[in-house]
Amino acid sequence: QVQLQESGPGLVKPSEPLSLICTVSGDSIGSYYWSWIRQPPGKGLEWIGYISNSEITSYNPSLKSRVTISADTSKNQFSLKVTSVTAADTAVYYCARDKIGSIPFFDYWGQGTLVTVSS
Amino acid sequence: DIVMTQSPDSLAVSLGERATINCKSSQSVLYSSTNKNYLAWYQQKPGQPPKLLIYWASTRESGVPDRLSGSGSGTDFTLTISSLQAEDVAVYYCQQYYSTPYSFGQGTKLEIK
Repeated sequence: QVQLQESGPGLVKPSEPLSLICTVSGDSIGSYYWSWIRQPPGKGLEWIGYISNSEITSYNPSLKSRVTISADTSKNQFSLKVTSVTAADTAVYYCARDKIGSIPFFDYWGQGTLVTVSS
Repeated sequence: DIVMTQSPDSLAVSLGERATINCKSSQSVLYSSTNKNYLAWYQQKPGQPPKLLIYWASTRESGVPDRLSGSGSGTDFTLTISSLQAEDVAVYYCQQYYSTPYSFGQGTKLEIK
């Protein structure tokens, strides 16, 4: 059974970086592509980006200059960093598995973690 | 960028009746070389992550009841619940994975009348 769990600070100050980790169990991150998706409170879903099994990344241009996704295969984790956050970055952040390689639709999701940007 | 637009924004249907949710993409998501529509549907219940229901526009994910079905091609797609059950109350999203940035519709909230 594949399980994903997000972890990281729930509160980030404006202009500071947001950093989250997704820990994967029941599967190897070296076997699939892995994405980050976010959902502002009461709103819809926004794909942030993915990292491939060979650590190639792709980002949403709306966030591209501020986002980095990386992987630590030794820990079976991948991470998200968003720099220079504002209140608009307040959201539930999900990590998810891309069901089929480089074709990103998502069959396993973490429970999500709420990150609030506030001073 | 491909914009996904769902209709209606909310929908109330009686138990046992049919529910239909529409999704329109701003450009075709039919990939000619594979003849597949790069379109997925998700269900999200309060406090939970989205759950994959349908991919390739009409392929049901394992474990999804057969009362849920997807149809359509090109730019126009439909998610149909043939006989609404109480557990189907949720927000439903379509998503295109034809081209980056991969994008979702705004969601359709399905309730019981």
